[in-house]
Amino acid sequence: GQQLNQSPQSMFIQEGEDVSMNCTSSSIFNTWLWYKQDPGEGPVLLIALYKAGELTSNGRLTAQFGITRKDSFLNISASIPSDVGIYFCAGPGSNYKLTFGKGTLLTVNP
Amino acid sequence: DAEITQSPRHKITETGRQVTLACHQTWNHNNMFWYRQDLGHGLRLIHYSYGVHDTNKGEVSDGYSVSRSNTEDLPLTLESAASSQTSVYFCASSEHTGELFFGEGSRLTVL
Repeated sequence: GQQLNQSPQSMFIQEGEDVSMNCTSSSIFNTWLWYKQDPGEGPVLLIALYKAGELTSNGRLTAQFGITRKDSFLNISASIPSDVGIYFCAGPGSNYKLTFGKGTLLTVNP
Repeated sequence: DAEITQSPRHKITETGRQVTLACHQTWNHNNMFWYRQDLGHGLRLIHYSYGVHDTNKGEVSDGYSVSRSNTEDLPLTLESAASSQTSVYFCASSEHTGELFFGEGSRLTVL
């Protein structure tokens, strides 16, 4: 089946720093999704990408759909304490099923 | 506002007991999913449904079952709970876009 490799597994940064994480796939995706999970909550959709090469921003978050359609990147600029959480990449496989990466745990030190 | 709710949020049970986790969504979505989340494994799909009376096995379905008698609900049943099923369980729903909306999770501990 499809596999998503997400890196890094965890990050510990200082408030104000920029963050970058990425996801690679063993197969081509037509859509890339990025989710954030706050502690004790369910994942929430941050950004959806639908076209190869697409660059989309949502506030301090920017995500890109790789040209090869096998990768995607998420950047967070000027991190703040509430950015803490687990970030997941995901791609839809057959019939609306999402395959998730294992997540990047982000810790922001005030 | 439309939402998806799970209950109970926390449960402790004993090995061998039957456990049912409830999931109710008011989005009127056809697609519903159950995932479990474990450290080092991320989110893994247990079962899913594309509509009333439709159920399908995911990648980690052994020991679990679901039923879909209406659009709003997809209860997850552990027929005989095992310690390996200690986990956080998430229900989710979607329409045709593949963008899932998740519940807040149910933390299950099997002693």
